[in-house]
Amino acid sequence: QKEVEQNSGPLSVPEGAIASLNCTYSDRGSQSFFWYRQYSGKSPELIMSIYSNGDKEDGRFTAQLNKASQYVSLLIRDSQPSDSATYLCAVNQRGDMRFGAGTRLTVKP
Amino acid sequence: GAVVSQHPSWVICKSGTSVKIECRSLDFQATTMFWYRQFPKQSLMLMATSNEGSKATYEQGVEKDKFLINHASLTLSTLTVTSAHPEDSSFYICSAETGPGNTIYFGEGSWLTVV
Repeated sequence: QKEVEQNSGPLSVPEGAIASLNCTYSDRGSQSFFWYRQYSGKSPELIMSIYSNGDKEDGRFTAQLNKASQYVSLLIRDSQPSDSATYLCAVNQRGDMRFGAGTRLTVKP
Repeated sequence: GAVVSQHPSWVICKSGTSVKIECRSLDFQATTMFWYRQFPKQSLMLMATSNEGSKATYEQGVEKDKFLINHASLTLSTLTVTSAHPEDSSFYICSAETGPGNTIYFGEGSWLTVV
């Protein structure tokens, strides 16, 4: 079992829809969770971090964390073509940051 | 957020030569920096973890004598690709953490082409 798992996609949504990206992790002791966005040919950039169970909203982005079920998700509301990218989930597992392989999102106009 | 700068952004070198890539944390001290390689349409692959003042820890399958990493200060780590070959052509990315287990910020990445 991989430490951090994401569906590789591609995930395709129409413009204006909600894109839902999911991530599961193996270490119950994980304390902090991050979502990064990576455009093709560019390095990853931090979108959000979340540390507590529940939802955290930042603009069109909402991160959701459920430690009991060991999953973290990212919702993108009102998806735009400019949101098309690969989204990486990262989990801090007892001091070691582990990245998922990423989910490729395509938002179609 | 914190800023990590990587240089050069693009580099072309001849086969058999060495090339150095620098990674700097501009507004924070990074006790730990990370080096990744990414081939087109593939995932980030962690190459090594670099701790200031000590030897880097390499991931399995990464040749430490080919990919020399030096972390001489709290704000600078360098990756030197020695005796480069065309198969070393890739996107190399560094990252730094603001503290143990804290947020990781990435540099802009360096495209290496070996001809």
